[in-house]
Amino acid sequence: AQSVTQPDIHITVSEGASLELRCNYSYGATPYLFWYVQSPGQGLQLLLKYFSGDTLVQGIKGFEAEFKRSQSSFNLRKPSVHWSDAAEYFCAVAHNTDKLIFGTGTRLQVFP
Amino acid sequence: SQTIHQWPATLVQPVGSPLSLECTVEGTSNPNLYWYRQAAGRGLQLLFYSVGIGQISSEVPQNLSASRPQDRQFILSSKKLLLSDSGFYLCAWASGVEQYFGPGTRLTVT
Repeated sequence: AQSVTQPDIHITVSEGASLELRCNYSYGATPYLFWYVQSPGQGLQLLLKYFSGDTLVQGIKGFEAEFKRSQSSFNLRKPSVHWSDAAEYFCAVAHNTDKLIFGTGTRLQVFP
Repeated sequence: SQTIHQWPATLVQPVGSPLSLECTVEGTSNPNLYWYRQAAGRGLQLLFYSVGIGQISSEVPQNLSASRPQDRQFILSSKKLLLSDSGFYLCAWASGVEQYFGPGTRLTVT
């Protein structure tokens, strides 16, 4: 069965530092992969997605993610974190065309 | 452009009372619709999804139910709320694989 693992429950970085959030998936075929961000008390916002093609995808708010088939990973990166990036981040893989399987989330805290 | 609405934004209900949460989508037709729940400090749990009017798939057996009376309307209901129903309820729509989420409803059962 498909699954998504986000091994880091909580990450703390300083403002201006680089960021990498890890995501590993288990899927038998080429996956459709997503990263979402959720600010406290809000819904989820789509940051970026990977369907096919270039394995480095750019998203909104300066985020990017790289699909590595050999490692079954889709890690999210940002070169310089802003205080407004503090939020919960969810990785997801599409299970057929009707459902998404979400990871348990990584909470990002940013110190000034 | 597409917009998704949920109401109410917050709700406090006593145990045993009924529940009705509503979700509507604008700017698209025949979307897939989803209800998720987030318990405090937990991830997303898919409760129901619908690929068309009157078509509801239940992911988790519980005292909640869902209905889709119109193409762009999705309703989450309960006849008698339990304390464990407290949480943040999110509605989402999709016209392909990617899903777009509403602002959520915070439900507290007391």
